[in-house]
Amino acid sequence: NAGVMQNPRHLVRRRGQEARLRCSPMKGHSHVYWYRQLPEEGLKFMVYLQKENIIDESGMPKERFSAEFPKEGPSILRIQQVVRGDSAAYFCASSPPRGSGGELFFGEGSRLTVL
Amino acid sequence: AQRVTQPEKLLSVFKGAPVELKCNYSYSGSPELFWYVQYSRQRLQLLLRHISRESIKGFTADLNKGETSFHLKKPFAQEEDSAMYYCALKDAGGTSYGKLTFGQGTILTVHP
Repeated sequence: NAGVMQNPRHLVRRRGQEARLRCSPMKGHSHVYWYRQLPEEGLKFMVYLQKENIIDESGMPKERFSAEFPKEGPSILRIQQVVRGDSAAYFCASSPPRGSGGELFFGEGSRLTVL
Repeated sequence: AQRVTQPEKLLSVFKGAPVELKCNYSYSGSPELFWYVQYSRQRLQLLLRHISRESIKGFTADLNKGETSFHLKKPFAQEEDSAMYYCALKDAGGTSYGKLTFGQGTILTVHP
C-alpha cells in the first residue's frame, strides 16, 4: 500500500493563477480530509469529503477555494485566482469507510508558493 | 467551538532528561485526544491516542478532564525523539467522522 499520495509536491503560481492539488487516498479509504498549514501556524482543517460528497467544508474560505472527490480519480483541491496569502503547505489525509479509531493517514503535503 | 492549544512552539532538552509537551483543549462534549508526530522528512503519523492508554516509544499521555489537558511525557528523552509534535482532538459525537482539530505544534529538539 503506497500510502496517501499527493501531487504536485511543490507548486509555484503567480498571483491570479489557479492552483490544483491532487490527493489519492490509501487503497480502501473513502474519506478524505484537507488541511492547510500556514507559516508559523498549525494544521487547520479545511474540508472533509467522501466519494462524490462534501461532508464538512466549515474550514474552507468562502471564495476561490473548492474541493471535490469524484467517483473515479483523486480528490482535488482547487484554488482560483491565488494570492500571496495562499502560500502554505496543503496536507491531505484519508481514513477507511468505517473509521480507524480516529487515526488519519497523511500524505507528504503539497507546498504552494504564490509569487 | 473546540480548540487545542500547545503553548510551547519550541522545546529543547538534553538526552536523558525528562520531557513534557503541553496540550490543553476546550470542548464541551466528550473528547478523544491524540498525539501526532512528524519526524524530519517523514509524514505526519499517529503517535498515541488517549483511549488506548498505551505507551509508544516511551511516551505516555494522560487525559485530565479537570484541567482539560493531555500532556505528552517521556522520562528519558532520546535524540531520535526530535520532531514536530501535534496534539489533536476528535469530535467524538459529531457527524464529521474522523475530523481532527490540531494544535499549533511543538518542535522538540533533543541535544546529545
